[in-house]
Amino acid sequence: GAVVSQHPSWVICKSGTSVKIECRSLDFQATTMFWYRQFPKQSLMLMATSNEGSKATYEQGVEKDKFLINHASLTLSTLTVTSAHPEDSSFYICSAEGAPQILYEQYFGPGTRLTVT
Amino acid sequence: AQKVTQAQTEISVVEKEDVTLDCVYETRDTTYYLFWYKQPPSGELVFLIRRNSFDEQNEISGRYSWNFQKSTSSFNFTITASQVVDSAVYFCALSANNNDMRFGAGTRLTVKP
Repeated sequence: GAVVSQHPSWVICKSGTSVKIECRSLDFQATTMFWYRQFPKQSLMLMATSNEGSKATYEQGVEKDKFLINHASLTLSTLTVTSAHPEDSSFYICSAEGAPQILYEQYFGPGTRLTVT
Repeated sequence: AQKVTQAQTEISVVEKEDVTLDCVYETRDTTYYLFWYKQPPSGELVFLIRRNSFDEQNEISGRYSWNFQKSTSSFNFTITASQVVDSAVYFCALSANNNDMRFGAGTRLTVKP
């Protein structure tokens, strides 16, 4: 149990366009979802935390107008990279926390590789 | 503030050697969890272990073992008789009361045949 999927697994887009990444909890309800970004050969950096039905909380230095996060249901959160630029190219990973809940545990999606040309 | 330090950026060993990956953490919370994840080239994080702050027992799972020492704030990971398939980036992570998971910088392990 506790499977998290992401779609798409990879995407290439042109500079200036917007890209939406979906994160779904397949067999549990995710009350909280997290979005991470990982640059090549670097660690995962938390971008934002979202709770179902409320606004996301962004980490310092993350532009909320550029990285739009929506957590409209207990099984789906979306990250939209608006007006993407080559420096936004990265590996985006989501994670979800919820029932069946093991306290402090997050279940990770497989990641989405974004390349902006 | 929470912080995880993995001082070893890269480690290279020859197959069948034992290797230990170090992890040192900082937190002011008394309740917290420590994790190790493996990230193969495909990118997907593979969960290896979770340990809570009240359980200092060492754990062994096959060729993997973990040593949790609260006195030194360390949670080290040892692979015994390493194999080529163990080659990956390994992350240590810490999650405390705010459920905010912080990752270390990762250690890239290369096991040569």
